[in-house]
Amino acid sequence: GQQVMQIPQYQHVQEGEDFTTYCNSSTTLSNIQWYKQRPGGHPVFLIQLVKSGEVKKQKRLTFQFGEAKKNSSLHITATQTTDVGTYFCAGQSGTYKYIFGTGTRLKVLA
Amino acid sequence: DGGITQSPKYLFRKEGQNVTLSCEQNLNHDAMYWYRQDPGQGLRLIYYSQIVNDFQKGDIAEGYSVSREKKESFPLTVTSAQKNPTAFYLCASRPRLAGELFFGEGSRLTVL
Repeated sequence: GQQVMQIPQYQHVQEGEDFTTYCNSSTTLSNIQWYKQRPGGHPVFLIQLVKSGEVKKQKRLTFQFGEAKKNSSLHITATQTTDVGTYFCAGQSGTYKYIFGTGTRLKVLA
Repeated sequence: DGGITQSPKYLFRKEGQNVTLSCEQNLNHDAMYWYRQDPGQGLRLIYYSQIVNDFQKGDIAEGYSVSREKKESFPLTVTSAQKNPTAFYLCASRPRLAGELFFGEGSRLTVL
């Protein structure tokens, strides 16, 4: 079946360093979404990318959708302790089905 | 306030018992979802429902059952047939047109 993989699985960074997580789908996606889950919490929507090659920015976060619509990345510039959590991508396959990636757990050391 | 309410937040059950997790939303969303999350892992889709009285199996539906008798409600039953039910269960909803998923705070089930 369809799979969405993320790398790395874990990342520890010093506060102020940059961070990137990558998402790869086995099939072409109609769109991709990114979510953040704080420790002990539930996933919260960050952004949705729809167009091939799309790039969107939210303050220190930059999101990209690949040209083939099979991969995506999230880059955080100058991490802060508030960035701690697990970041998930979710690919939409069909009208209603979402397949979540395996997630990247980010720890930021002060 | 609009949102998704899951209950109970924590649940313990003995092996061989069925248990039902509640999910209620007042966002007027058409689609609802159940995901399972195991420690340190991603979210796996159990069931989803596009409209009332209709639902589809996700990737790990075996041992689970759902119903969608009302737009607001999408309960999940974890049956005794589920081999390893201890997990964190997340319910989500989405409006009819494509958009973000809104998640409840989750239900943590532990089988003793």
